[in-house]
This record gives sequence, C-alpha cells and structure tokens, in this order.
Amino acid sequence: QSVLTQPPSASGTPGQRVTISCSGSSSNIGSNTVNWYQQLPGTAPKLLIYSNNQRPSGVPDRFSGSKSGTSASLAISGLQSEDEADYYCAAWDDSLNGQVFGTGTKVTVL
Amino acid sequence: QVQLQQWGAGLLKPSETLSLTCAVYGGSFSGYYWSWIRQPPGKGLEWIGEINHSGSTNYNPSLKSRVTISVDTSKNQFSLKLSSVTAADTAVYYCARSIAVAGYYYYYMDVWGKGTTVTVSS
Repeated sequence: QSVLTQPPSASGTPGQRVTISCSGSSSNIGSNTVNWYQQLPGTAPKLLIYSNNQRPSGVPDRFSGSKSGTSASLAISGLQSEDEADYYCAAWDDSLNGQVFGTGTKVTVL
Repeated sequence: QVQLQQWGAGLLKPSETLSLTCAVYGGSFSGYYWSWIRQPPGKGLEWIGEINHSGSTNYNPSLKSRVTISVDTSKNQFSLKLSSVTAADTAVYYCARSIAVAGYYYYYMDVWGKGTTVTVSS
C-alpha cells in the first residue's frame, strides 16, 4: 500500500528536462526528508537522491531533488537514454512508524 | 565497498513460511538498520521491516502479525521470516542497509542486495 503519490509515467526527448512529483502528508514528507530511488529494468533499486536534495557519490548532477511542505519533486535535466527507468520517492512515516514508498513513475526517453 | 548477498527458498506452497537471509560483506554491521523490502511482479516497492545490530525492530503494520526479522551479529547476517504465505506474497525480496539520523528525520537505504524471487504456488 503506497502512501506517497506519483504520476505513473513521464517522458521526454534526449536533452529535455523531466520533473516527477511526489505527494505525501504531514506524517511523512511534512515531517521527514525525502529520498529518491532509480530502478533500471531487471535490477535492484539504487539510491539517487537522499535528504531531499543530496546526491550520493557517482550520481550525475543532472539529477536534482527538492521538497516543499508535503510534496517533493525529482528533476532530470539533459535527459539521456540511460535514464529510462522507474523512479520511486520515499520517506519515513511517523504515524505508521515505517518507511513508505511512492507509487512509482516510469520515465520513457522518446 | 559494502555488499549484501541474499539467499533463500524461491518456491513455496500456500501456508508455508518464507525464509531469507542477507549477509553483509566489507563494512561495519553496527550503526545501521538492516531492512527488507519487496516488490510484487509489475508493482511498486513495499517496506517490510528493519532491525539494528542490537535486535531492535520495526515492522510494516500491514505485515507485522506474520513477520519476524532477526540478526546474527557473529556472522554479520540478518534474516526474514514471513509466515502463512499466500499468492499475494509472491514478489522479489530485497535486503538493504538503512541509515537513520536524528531519529528517522534522515532515513535512506544506500546499499541494496540483488533480490530474491519468491513464488508462492500450490
């Protein structure tokens, strides 16, 4: 049961900027930081953005994250073919006392 | 580099108990939470629960009655048991290292196992 809501799909041509939204509530995004995971086809998820806007070592700077109130967003600028993947937002939920994930967004490079 | 290697039975019958283990190589076991996440075919990610090196656990409320996560610090391993499985428990199960700072204000999973496919079928 996903508590965080994302659009099911997003797309763009190479070089374009794509933005994915993530909507939550006061008990999760409103209270804690947001992370983003990238899942390439047939592979395990990979941490892409943590603590709202921090990139782990090795993640290109064309990936960026932001948060405002109970929503967050992931932006991919200069879209590349290798960015075609599923993207999930996540945050700790204080009411559930557990990690909650977004519904996931499939990014397609046209 | 920390690596997680996971294993366990891949085919179960309804009502049986799912059992998976995840071993941690190349890094400290203490100071982190160790999590299990699953992904049904074609669907999104679901957090199952977590444990720290001292055995403190948190579970997804929707699975809590059937889940047990345990730790063996002598082997740097942690395990998942899910009882009374049904077809709805068919999924890829992942283990992951979780970092929690300032309570759970900063919480993220930075290292993941490759996943184990578990199928429940009669």
